Amino acid sequence: NAGVIQTPRHKVTGKGQEATLWCEPISGHSAVFWYRQTIVQGLEFLTYFRNQAPIDDSGMPKERFSAQMPNQSHSTLKIQSTQPQDSAVYLCASSLGTNSDYTFGSGTRLLVI
Amino acid sequence: GQQVQQSPASLVLQEGENAELQCNFSTSLNSMQWFYQRPGGSLVSLFYNPSGTKHSGRLTSTTVIKERRSSLHISSSQTTDSGTYLCALESNTNKVVFGTGTRLQVLP
Repeated sequence: NAGVIQTPRHKVTGKGQEATLWCEPISGHSAVFWYRQTIVQGLEFLTYFRNQAPIDDSGMPKERFSAQMPNQSHSTLKIQSTQPQDSAVYLCASSLGTNSDYTFGSGTRLLVI
Repeated sequence: GQQVQQSPASLVLQEGENAELQCNFSTSLNSMQWFYQRPGGSLVSLFYNPSGTKHSGRLTSTTVIKERRSSLHISSSQTTDSGTYLCALESNTNKVVFGTGTRLQVLP
């Protein structure tokens, strides 16, 4: 069990560029979550999928952020026209479903300059 | 208001001392999980504890749903325990909310 795999580990983009972050959940886990972590805001919920369907994206900045889960083996978080305030560690987690524990990936550290 | 509150926000101990970290929540609970994070590190699950008491080495987690609280007890602290401890609550609407964390520093 390789755990939740996130790639890339680090990404630097110029302001206005697009960034795509990848997450591979643990095999068999039906729920996938995306969080963002900064020193100022702490851990912020972004969105989650269950059985590949988007369930709750209430934490997603609507205009430039989007997330997909095209198959059960990976999810992507795309940020268009990145801004310096998007700089953060983006964390993906997966679980078997509700009332189950969560396993986090190592995160993608995004720096927008 | 904040659904999950952790206390204390920060704590400094001498090695060997015990620590009691608290997590209080204001919403209905489906599950509670405690995580540990080193600076710059990923979140490591310590306990999945929706109710009752669980032990793991020097760590003990107790969740009392009626009182809307969960605690994490660290006994005989070590310098390697330094880091941030986060509780995460899954509400009955299946949304997971994290507390703001307790930053622990254990001095030699």
